[in-house]
Amino acid sequence: QVLLVESGGGLVKPGGSLRLSCAASGFPFGDYYMNWIRQAPGKGLEWIAHISSSGSTIYYADSVKGRFTISRDNAKKSLYLQMTSLRAEDTAVYYCARNLKLYYSDYWGQGTLVTVSS
Amino acid sequence: DVQMTQSPSSLSASVGDRVTITCRASQGISKFLAWFQQKPGEAPKSLIYDASSLQSGVPSRFSGSGSGTDFTLTISSLQPEDFATYYCQQYNTYPPTFGQGTKVEIK
Repeated sequence: QVLLVESGGGLVKPGGSLRLSCAASGFPFGDYYMNWIRQAPGKGLEWIAHISSSGSTIYYADSVKGRFTISRDNAKKSLYLQMTSLRAEDTAVYYCARNLKLYYSDYWGQGTLVTVSS
Repeated sequence: DVQMTQSPSSLSASVGDRVTITCRASQGISKFLAWFQQKPGEAPKSLIYDASSLQSGVPSRFSGSGSGTDFTLTISSLQPEDFATYYCQQYNTYPPTFGQGTKVEIK
């Protein structure tokens, strides 16, 4: 079955960096576009980044553009999110999600919590 | 960005009730709307995509309708496991955007 497992979350100080990973299994990872979506505590969902199957096409939400970098390694069946210049408002659970069509995600990981605080 | 507005923000219902949640887009999005269910401490789960297509494995008591700007999620007979928060999402236009959520609580 489709399985997405995020890791790398934790507590980081404002201005710091963190790299999230998402390990995929149960489907041909290299054939699918992927997304990162986040959810601040007690809040709604926010799409933040999207990468094509080959990695050649990437889009970001304005809120993270210039600070976050999405990437993938199809040989390792893994998706990444490099986060720099972190702010308190980046505190959230970060989900990786498989893209079925356009920007619609049919399967989501369980999420990893990132807390930005001094 | 396309703004997605859900109503109501919350509702109380009993097991067996028919429940309807509405999602309105600030501009036309054709049929490109999805519905997700999220329980506390869990990841969102896809229910419906393309406004009315049921995701594999989702019970048939869930249905979706609409096109353009107005969409509806209906639960025909509410079950105990359906108490959760529901989100709509448009994926017609970049950036994809979500509604604010509708919390379905036990009456």
